[in-house]
Amino acid sequence: DGGITQSPKYLFRKEGQNVTLSCEQNLNHDAMYWYRQDPGQGLRLIYYSQIVNDFQKGDIAEGYSVSREKKESFPLTVTSAQKNPTAFYLCASSIDSSGISGELFFGEGSRLTVL
Amino acid sequence: AQSVTQLDSQVPVFEEAPVELRCNYSSSVSVYLFWYVQYPNQGLQLLLKYLSGSTLVKGINGFEAEFNKSQTSFHLRKPSVHISDTAEYFCAVETDSWGKLQFGAGTQVVVTP
Repeated sequence: DGGITQSPKYLFRKEGQNVTLSCEQNLNHDAMYWYRQDPGQGLRLIYYSQIVNDFQKGDIAEGYSVSREKKESFPLTVTSAQKNPTAFYLCASSIDSSGISGELFFGEGSRLTVL
Repeated sequence: AQSVTQLDSQVPVFEEAPVELRCNYSSSVSVYLFWYVQYPNQGLQLLLKYLSGSTLVKGINGFEAEFNKSQTSFHLRKPSVHISDTAEYFCAVETDSWGKLQFGAGTQVVVTP
């Protein structure tokens, strides 16, 4: 079945460590996104990519990095510079970069806990 | 810049009763509006969307929403809820920034027998 796969589902990290969250999609979607979810705050956009080898910062990009070397993959690295990384991270994709209304398709999320 | 306000953080409701979740947005330009649902420890799933045309939009699982441009609202309704509707619901707005949705803080719906 087509969809978005995020891994790992749960991740624990010590302070000062970088971690990378994986996001793979087989929907042939051009655009991919990373959101962070905290209780009572909704979803906030970290980074997004409309095409391969190109990506833009979202609203809360500080302390995060991404790459888009393949259409199917959009990994997110949470660096040690992110001051409060404990959160639920959601990857999403949308069908194309041509224009209006990208309905987002979401993965099941990765929950990161910093010990 | 647009913002999205979901007026209720939690809505308790009895099974088979109706429910309305309120969403207001602020934007001076044309908008596209969405409602998503999130079950515990899962990603979000699209319930319905308004792009243009009829202001009453029907979605999955018996949900519907009405776009009111003058009141800048997009409230979600269901006439009779089930236990399985217990979830968090997010309203989202997209304007001219293609693909970039602004999400509300979410409304937790708790359905009890």
